[in-house]
Amino acid sequence: GAGVSQSPSNKVTEKGKDVELRCDPISGHTALYWYRQSLGQGLEFLIYFQGNSAPDKSGLPSDRFSAERTGGSVSTLTIQRTQQEDSAVYLCASSLDLPSFNEKLFFGSGTQLSVL
Amino acid sequence: AQSVTQLGSHVSVSEGALVLLRCNYSSSVPPYLFWYVQYPNQGLQLLLKYTTGATLVKGINGFEAEFKKSETSFHLTKPSAHMSDAAEYFCAVSERSGNTPLVFGKGTRLSVIA
Repeated sequence: GAGVSQSPSNKVTEKGKDVELRCDPISGHTALYWYRQSLGQGLEFLIYFQGNSAPDKSGLPSDRFSAERTGGSVSTLTIQRTQQEDSAVYLCASSLDLPSFNEKLFFGSGTQLSVL
Repeated sequence: AQSVTQLGSHVSVSEGALVLLRCNYSSSVPPYLFWYVQYPNQGLQLLLKYTTGATLVKGINGFEAEFKKSETSFHLTKPSAHMSDAAEYFCAVSERSGNTPLVFGKGTRLSVIA
C-alpha cells in the first residue's frame, strides 16, 4: 500500500473485554513496530518485529498484551481483559530495515482506544 | 539502555521568533538521533536525523539540529517560527549498532502565537 494502514481508527470497549488492533505495513518493509501514545507520556515502545527474528517484546507493559505478525506482513496487537489505563493511541510503524541502518520509520495514523 | 529527555512539555513562541526545542540523550554507544513531528490530526513524520558526518543537520520546513557529543544534546531550532509549525515534536535515539528500536522522548508541544 501507499502507507501504513491501521484499523480500526477508533475503538471503544468495556473494561474486561479483549480487543484486537490491526496494522498493515508498507509492502516490502521488514521491520514493524508498535508504540503507545498517551497524554503526557510520549511514545512508549511496545514490541518490534524484524524479519524472521524473534520479536523484541521488552516494551509490553503486562502479559495482557501480545502481538503477532503473520507472513512477515500484517500484525495484530491484542489486549486481553482491557483496563481503563490501556486507553491511548496505539501507533504502528514500519521501516525497510533496522534503525541502525539509517532507515526512517513510517507511521500509521493510529488506533484511538477508549476503555470505559 | 538508551533514553531521551525533552525539556519542556510545552513551548510557546511568537510568529517570527526563534524556535528552540531541547533534547538530551543517554546512550552507551554512539547514537543515531532523530526528530519526528506530529501535526494536528496527522501521523508522525521524520523531520531530520543525524547518523554520521556533519553534526549540523538540516531537515524539512527550515528546521535544523546540531549533535553535540560533549553535551549529549540534539536541540532542534528554526530561526523564524511560522503558524504552520504548531505541532508536537518528538526526539528519538537508536543505537548505531545493534538491533534496538527507536526510543522516543515524551514530546514537546509547540504553539505559535500570532
